[in-house]
Amino acid sequence: GAGVSQSPSNKVTEKGKDVELRCDPISGHTALYWYRQSLGQGLEFLIYFQGNSAPDKSGLPSDRFSAERTGGSVSTLTIQRTQQEDSAVYLCASSLASGSSYEQYFGPGTRLTVT
Amino acid sequence: GDSVTQMEGPVTLSEEAFLTINCTYTATGYPSLFWYVQYPGEGLQLLLKATKADDKGSNKGFEATYRKETTSFHLEKGSVQVSDSAVYFCALTSGGGKLIFGQGTELSVKP
Repeated sequence: GAGVSQSPSNKVTEKGKDVELRCDPISGHTALYWYRQSLGQGLEFLIYFQGNSAPDKSGLPSDRFSAERTGGSVSTLTIQRTQQEDSAVYLCASSLASGSSYEQYFGPGTRLTVT
Repeated sequence: GDSVTQMEGPVTLSEEAFLTINCTYTATGYPSLFWYVQYPGEGLQLLLKATKADDKGSNKGFEATYRKETTSFHLEKGSVQVSDSAVYFCALTSGGGKLIFGQGTELSVKP
């Protein structure tokens, strides 16, 4: 079956603009995770969803970042008023359910460059 | 909070050499431990995992043993190949299954 897909694969935006990143999880996976991979910070957790709820948003770096998930499927990560330090690869992963027993499957990522 | 520390890279080895990448962790409770691999130009994929103390995870010739007494999960392979060149990440699960990653270790294997 299809894996996790993310769009766009690359996004270049000007500082101050808003961007939306999309994640399509594997069908039937109820848990969805967002991570960020950057040179300075490595791989960081941002937020996760179980169904449409987000029990843990502790990794969102500021209130410019938000995410939603509708219909228990697609998720959108929105960054408002982008800054240069937001430049990174944003990774999405999904799993059958939340919890350590379930393997997370990663998408290819969206490379965001803020100029 | 929970954290993972792994040895810094890059690590450069000749083909058929023995590989060890050290990983230690700090966690409350009893996390599951993972090694993920990122091949050039590809996404993150799970290499192996262990869910409780003394478990050994293995895959593709790689092994790692969950050592609670030393809070470690070192990755080993007896004979590396050029195709093993990649970035390796040690990770643990924290609340809700979110992954906490180490900083990654780049491995380069020369023929």
